Amino acid sequence: EAGVVQSPRYKIIEKKQPVAFWCNPISGHNTLYWYRQNLGQGPELLIRYENEEAVDDSQLPKDRFSAERLKGVDSTLKIQPAELGDSAVYLCASSSNGGGTGELFFGEGSRLTVL
Amino acid sequence: EDQVTQSPEALRLQEGESSSLNCSYTVSGLRGLFWYRQDPGKGPEFLFTLYSAGEEKEKERLKATLTKKESFLHITAPKPEDSATYLCAVQDYGGSQGNLIFGKGTKLSVKP
Repeated sequence: EAGVVQSPRYKIIEKKQPVAFWCNPISGHNTLYWYRQNLGQGPELLIRYENEEAVDDSQLPKDRFSAERLKGVDSTLKIQPAELGDSAVYLCASSSNGGGTGELFFGEGSRLTVL
Repeated sequence: EDQVTQSPEALRLQEGESSSLNCSYTVSGLRGLFWYRQDPGKGPEFLFTLYSAGEEKEKERLKATLTKKESFLHITAPKPEDSATYLCAVQDYGGSQGNLIFGKGTKLSVKP
């Protein structure tokens, strides 16, 4: 069974430039998460989707971040414009039961460096 | 506010030297406590879920235990391949909209 796929794995951009990350969850998983992980820290939730509905986006900086999950499968996370402080690893995860058992399947992440 | 504190931040062990990692937490109502393993450059990998005080789970050289205020991840006779960052997370019935709150992790290094 294929795992959670993310791209790109690495991205280096100048500040004020836009960037987008893509995630393909495990087939059949209706819950999708975007987390941000800073160096030496644990992952922090940005947004959670149940199918195509964003059920929790309270931690998403909406002035510059946006996300979408069309047709309840793939998802895209966008940052525009990027700031120096956005440098981090952006992790996508999926689960089959709304995360009720705490078993989330994570992708390998997209490492963003903003110069 | 939900909080998760892990200690130590880093732990160096010799191969075969058993030890424990600690995760203390503050939640209004614990729905579950979870342990994940994260290798460098990878996403976290699920290890265990614990739901109530007194519960224990085992997997190979790892055993997770839970009390009302903390969880321990015991590593028995570790091997170099156990080297990784171990993350603890909690899920609260009442707060954080049921989302997982992660600690900062403990970075474990096992030397041969």
